[in-house]
Amino acid sequence: AQSVTQLGSHVSVSEGALVLLRCNYSSSVPPYLFWYVQYPNQGLQLLLKYTTGATLVKGINGFEAEFKKSETSFHLTKPSAHMSDAAEYFCAVSDRGNTGNQFYFGTGTSLTVIP
Amino acid sequence: EAGVTQSPTHLIKTRGQQATLRCSPISGHTSVYWYQQALGLGLQFLLWYDEGEERNRGNFPPRFSGRQFPNYSSELNVNALELEDSALYLCASSLKVPATNEKLFFGSGTQLSVL
Repeated sequence: AQSVTQLGSHVSVSEGALVLLRCNYSSSVPPYLFWYVQYPNQGLQLLLKYTTGATLVKGINGFEAEFKKSETSFHLTKPSAHMSDAAEYFCAVSDRGNTGNQFYFGTGTSLTVIP
Repeated sequence: EAGVTQSPTHLIKTRGQQATLRCSPISGHTSVYWYQQALGLGLQFLLWYDEGEERNRGNFPPRFSGRQFPNYSSELNVNALELEDSALYLCASSLKVPATNEKLFFGSGTQLSVL
């Protein structure tokens, strides 16, 4: 079974600083990769996903992530943090092919933006 | 277009009682997923329904069960509630299998509190 590791359950950055949220997966076969964001009292919404093609993926709200096969990573970045970015971020993976439609989520990283 | 809707928003029960949570997927989506989001544990996969059938199940005891109706809405039932069942229960929907490269659309969740 897949596993997803998000290093750092809490990350704090100053407003305007670089945001870096880390995600590593366990599969030897590159899965589909997703980043979701959860604002307080809301469900999750998709930020971006990687399925195939260009390894640098751009998402909403200025976020982007790069798939690095050699590092089995899919870290999320944003050049300049905004107060509105404060939220919980989840990395998720799913297996290529129809193996039960399973999506595996990391434990989440809570992002705090300091004014 | 309406998103994924869940009801109730909050549910308070006592130990040993039963809880029923409801989910309506986005129109046209046939797959419904249930996740438990307990504090500090991220999203734990509970159940996946598609076309009225249970397709996959996470590592939860049998007292967690559910069903999917002909209109693709779904119900999650938790019997013999325990204190550790207190969590946010999220429902998500997606297009028909195979959909592992498709994003999930999440509802805002039902916050279950067991006293």
